[in-house]
Amino acid sequence: AQKVTQAQTEISVVEKEDVTLDCVYETRDTTYYLFWYKQPPSGELVFLIRRNSFDEQNEISGRYSWNFQKSTSSFNFTITASQVVDSAVYFCAFIAGGTSYGKLTFGQGTILTVHP
Amino acid sequence: DGGITQSPKYLFRKEGQNVTLSCEQNLNHDAMYWYRQDPGQGLRLIYYSQIVNDFQKGDIAEGYSVSREKKESFPLTVTSAQKNPTAFYLCATRAGAYGYTFGSGTRLTVV
Repeated sequence: AQKVTQAQTEISVVEKEDVTLDCVYETRDTTYYLFWYKQPPSGELVFLIRRNSFDEQNEISGRYSWNFQKSTSSFNFTITASQVVDSAVYFCAFIAGGTSYGKLTFGQGTILTVHP
Repeated sequence: DGGITQSPKYLFRKEGQNVTLSCEQNLNHDAMYWYRQDPGQGLRLIYYSQIVNDFQKGDIAEGYSVSREKKESFPLTVTSAQKNPTAFYLCATRAGAYGYTFGSGTRLTVV
């Protein structure tokens, strides 16, 4: 069975600090996909990134960057120069490749608070 | 604009009552899902449906029921058998292999 663990329950930083959210996953599958979602106070989940298991290239999108390391089964998310608008709950999620019904397995979530 | 509409945004239930949460989509997506969110536990899958008139239990289906009579609609009923229904409920659809869209959620509180 798959499992996703987000070690940090809550993180509090001051604006302009860099912050890294950790995500570790467990699976026996060789093909899988990893996701990060942002949940602002309004409640909806906002898609940030999807990564497949064959692509270990790190990705940068503006102030966001992701570090995928299969050797340590980790898919960490870094926000550079954090802003108050980054305050939200962030979820890491996993899905096994070839799954017929597309079940996402979520981590417990990390509450990020960015103070002005 | 295409999207998912969940209603109501807030719902209060008396103990022993059944309540139904609405999820409507105009994205023309075949697959629909219901997730439950509790603090510190992430999102857990309640039910999912891949096509009309078909649905499957997820990880925590006890005390819940669903129907899928139309492609656009996937209502979730929280029955009196659900002992701890207070939670945030999210509906989602899926297009293609891994393109998920989530609704804005319904917050259910037992009073």
